Amino acid sequence: EVRLVQSGAELKKPGESLKISCQASTNGLISYWIGWVRQMPGKGLEWMGMVHLGDSDIRYSPSFEGLVVISADRSVSTAYLQWRSLRASDSAMYYCARPSPYGPFESWGQGTLVTVSS
Amino acid sequence: IQLTQSPSFLSASVGDRVTITCRASQGISSYLAWYQQKPLRAPKLLIYAASTLQSGVSSRFSGSGSGTEFALTISSLQPEDFATYYCQQVYSYPYSFGQGTKLEIK
Repeated sequence: EVRLVQSGAELKKPGESLKISCQASTNGLISYWIGWVRQMPGKGLEWMGMVHLGDSDIRYSPSFEGLVVISADRSVSTAYLQWRSLRASDSAMYYCARPSPYGPFESWGQGTLVTVSS
Repeated sequence: IQLTQSPSFLSASVGDRVTITCRASQGISSYLAWYQQKPLRAPKLLIYAASTLQSGVSSRFSGSGSGTEFALTISSLQPEDFATYYCQQVYSYPYSFGQGTKLEIK
């Protein structure tokens, strides 16, 4: 089973940049996707996009394209989610997850809480 | 693709049989999954391909449907089943989620 470990909680100010990570225990396998899901306080799940750990192919949701950057570093089996200029509305829990061969996310990270406040 | 779950809130008792529905704005064949999420926890995959039970998930849970209409049924509610449930389509990008159904104890 693939285990996903996310970076720790972040407290940032509006306008600051941020990059959070999700490291996969791959057992040497990197030919799979990692997705990112946002959950704002008290709200539902939002699919943000996915990156392929092997070749860094990326799929964005139109709702998030241009607002965040999704990337990956295959050498350390890690996916990233990055903001160039945070806003208060980016405050949320962010989960990374690995899809099963059928598409849905079968393995999840523990979540990274991002708080943006002046 | 928009997914609409109903109801948004459901109050039920231990032992009840409950059904949550998910309607897709266009046909998605059987490319639908169901998740359970408890407070402060990551979601857990329950069912994929509309009706296939994920390994390790209780047989109390079952899924049905295809095309645009889907359902998640819990046959006999247990205390640990009170949570929020989400459907997700994996037919086409972006892989959208329903808005969620919160199942509460009556």
